[in-house]
Amino acid sequence: ETGVTQSPTHLIKTRGQQVTLRCSSQSGHNTVSWYQQALGQGPQFIFQYYREEENGRGNFPPRFSGLQFPNYSSELNVNALELDDSALYLCASNWRGASKDTQYFGPGTRLTVL
Amino acid sequence: DQQVKQNSPSLSVQEGRISILNCDYTNSMFDYFLWYKKYPAEGPTFLISISSIKDKNEDGRFTVFLNKSAKHLSLHIVPSQPGDSAVYFCAACHMEYGNKLVFGAGTILRVKS
Repeated sequence: ETGVTQSPTHLIKTRGQQVTLRCSSQSGHNTVSWYQQALGQGPQFIFQYYREEENGRGNFPPRFSGLQFPNYSSELNVNALELDDSALYLCASNWRGASKDTQYFGPGTRLTVL
Repeated sequence: DQQVKQNSPSLSVQEGRISILNCDYTNSMFDYFLWYKKYPAEGPTFLISISSIKDKNEDGRFTVFLNKSAKHLSLHIVPSQPGDSAVYFCAACHMEYGNKLVFGAGTILRVKS
């Protein structure tokens, strides 16, 4: 049990639609990161938020956006969905400045784009 | 460009024996390395990490070895147990830029009883 929760568990959308995925971080964690895990691959870094501001972005287009809220929750928004966006989306949180800085992952949201 | 590679998609080991999972990286800026374990329908769970200033870190049955000159790390599990059966991911980052992890593709470990 990592204390990180995500909703929904599964989601089915059609191409061109928009989706919002939600994450509740472990209490006290000031950093949240989002990853995309396609089938048969490792998680790929999308972006990171630190104290509600974007703090680094991976190789993902601008239609992937996010928000972090003061109550340790965050959102991942994806506009104009494409078939290749079908994947497991993972949220991870940590306390920046801790000696280990270990990220704790949620169980993920499985997104299917038809 | 795969900066972190796990060249063995799967590994099968007998219960009680040693499991050795390997990982190679190409980015010399990486200075912190982690291993995560993942069961189906769960998120990755942190196992063990190592800083680039060390060459070995041990935690119970798990030991991670780092060979910086070869850009290679390995995870040893001794003794292996059936509950260790999972997907193991190697990850790396450059701590100065925040812990934005770069993952390998994973290795499926099966421990047979």
